[in-house]
Amino acid sequence: AQRVTQPEKLLSVFKGAPVELKCNYSYSGSPELFWYVQYSRQRLQLLLRHISRESIKGFTADLNKGETSFHLKKPFAQEEDSAMYYCALSGSSNLFFGTGTRLTVIP
Amino acid sequence: SAVISQKPSRDICQRGTSLTIQCQVDSQVTMMFWYRQQPGQSLTLIATANQGSEATYESGFVIDKFPISRPNLTFSTLTVSNMSPEDSSIYLCSVVDSLSSGNTIYFGEGSWLTVV
Repeated sequence: AQRVTQPEKLLSVFKGAPVELKCNYSYSGSPELFWYVQYSRQRLQLLLRHISRESIKGFTADLNKGETSFHLKKPFAQEEDSAMYYCALSGSSNLFFGTGTRLTVIP
Repeated sequence: SAVISQKPSRDICQRGTSLTIQCQVDSQVTMMFWYRQQPGQSLTLIATANQGSEATYESGFVIDKFPISRPNLTFSTLTVSNMSPEDSSIYLCSVVDSLSSGNTIYFGEGSWLTVV
């Protein structure tokens, strides 16, 4: 069965500090993993996906198949990073979401 | 990426009534989905809207409560029937952008329903 786990509902860091949002998954096949972000009063939007191996807004995420993890990282958090972050897994074109982590960056 | 318009964006509904949410995409897309995001919760897939046939519902969701239409490749509707306060939620239309590499899913702004 597909499952996405985000163990932290809330995460607060100071501006300039590193941030890591954890995501673990379970899936029997070859997963596609995504991070979505929802800023206050905005729609849910794609942040990055593992197949692209890209860095968006300073964020990166590496798929670790051994640990079944896809943690989101940024070396220096900015105030504008405060948002709700969702890890998602695509098994067959639809998405299954984790419960989300609300990141607050303290000035 | 596909541009998705949903309406209404927000509504207050009376208990026992039904409301239809519309989702319009600016391009033809292969797949459309409806999600629900209850207050303080994550997103839950309601169903996949299939063009020209009945929607495919996830466990816990039934057609009588959430009838879905998809008459063509750019439009879908979700009806929330016989609403109760437990149906107060954000309902999100999403699509797979067939022009992108990989199965990237894009979301509409959502329809925020409050049932009183």
